[in-house]
Amino acid sequence: DADVTQTPRNRITKTGKRIMLECSQTKGHDRMYWYRQDPGLGLRLIYYSFDVKDINKGEISDGYSVSRQAQAKFSLSLESAIPNQTALYFCATSDPYRGWTDTQYFGPGTRLTVL
Amino acid sequence: GQQLNQSPQSMFIQEGEDVSMNCTSSSIFNTWLWYKQDPGEGPVLLIALYKAGELTSNGRLTAQFGITRKDSFLNISASIPSDVGIYFCAGQLGGSNYKLTFGKGTLLTVNP
Repeated sequence: DADVTQTPRNRITKTGKRIMLECSQTKGHDRMYWYRQDPGLGLRLIYYSFDVKDINKGEISDGYSVSRQAQAKFSLSLESAIPNQTALYFCATSDPYRGWTDTQYFGPGTRLTVL
Repeated sequence: GQQLNQSPQSMFIQEGEDVSMNCTSSSIFNTWLWYKQDPGEGPVLLIALYKAGELTSNGRLTAQFGITRKDSFLNISASIPSDVGIYFCAGQLGGSNYKLTFGKGTLLTVNP
């Protein structure tokens, strides 16, 4: 079984709809992240959480919200989806290594299309 | 903010050839990571580099952490068709600054 899972893998929705993307992990990591990927723009951080009580905005958080329901679960919501939120969304997890740096492990992604 | 320049943007090579790609930064990082993304999948970590000057191998892959801490390169030797994908570099300051800064990726195509 995959260490980081995302549901759904694909979603098509309409402008104005509320959408939730879910991420679960079995790695036992405390840190979780949400990224979006657009062609030619690489990966950009939306939100991150270092533990259940800690939620932080990333570089492109406008139009998104998150919920950390448990150590293993981190959900991303689009309150009112708009077409320019069409993208690939990735969840990632990490655990500090050597107390200084940590490496991130990615889920398989959710392809979201907003019509 | 920090920016990573990854080059080349794309490569089209013949099976068996060696490949080299690199990332440069306007500022220093304390960790360099190299990921590969297959179509329809998430990035998978290939190599992590934690020390300036470090040279690390993973099978046919070799990566180096530049001595200035502002660059890194990835080499793939004797390429095979399954090497096809997008390769991303990422830099991290570490400590209280968890954030990964990603390059825009190198698209590798291997012609059998």
